[in-house]
Amino acid sequence: EIVLTQSPATLSLSPGERATLSCRASQSVGRYLAWYQQKPGQAPRLLIYDASNRATGIPARFSGSGSGTDFTLTISSLEPEDFAVYYCQQRSNWPLTFGGGTQVEIK
Amino acid sequence: EVQLLESGGGLVQPGGSLRLSCAASGFTFNIYGMTWVRQAPGKGLDWVSTISGSDGSTYYADSVKGRFTISRDNSKNTLYLQMNSLRAEDTAVYHCAKGTPAGSRDYFDPWGRGTLVTVSS
Repeated sequence: EIVLTQSPATLSLSPGERATLSCRASQSVGRYLAWYQQKPGQAPRLLIYDASNRATGIPARFSGSGSGTDFTLTISSLEPEDFAVYYCQQRSNWPLTFGGGTQVEIK
Repeated sequence: EVQLLESGGGLVQPGGSLRLSCAASGFTFNIYGMTWVRQAPGKGLDWVSTISGSDGSTYYADSVKGRFTISRDNSKNTLYLQMNSLRAEDTAVYHCAKGTPAGSRDYFDPWGRGTLVTVSS
């Protein structure tokens, strides 16, 4: 099973600041990695797929990078609606796995 | 607009059974891979099972293999999850999620809001 480790667990930032979230895989997943955003009481929403492609309707302030075992989600300038939990997910191998999440909170 | 609406959750005793449904609309259901993902209270996301959009192949997490069965009725645009021999650790919100055409190992977009399953005596 591919284990995805996200860091940090919590990121405390102010609106307008840049957020950098990390996802590390226990073995290479190529570029088969996605990022999701989840707000309290809501379903997760796909942000980024195949490491760097924005999903439909996702603002340009969200960007993804990386390949192999190390991936990054960057939010260039945090908007109030971006404070949420973010998860990475790999589709390289069965079983499909998710990281433990990074909570982006208001400082 | 794609919509996924789960139902069938509730309180069940350990060892009991439950069948979840996910009514889909807004897309050509029969060609898409579909997946169940669960989230225990206050915890992260946990992939449960996928049924492919091509040949109906099924895939399960080890934690549910032999106890849960995923299926689909393309005539009703509905995805199911039959859950037997339920355990306390199966307590979670169960989300259905849409994959890709003919897909199996997928990303998920969109997700339903989920249905809560509570396993307790």
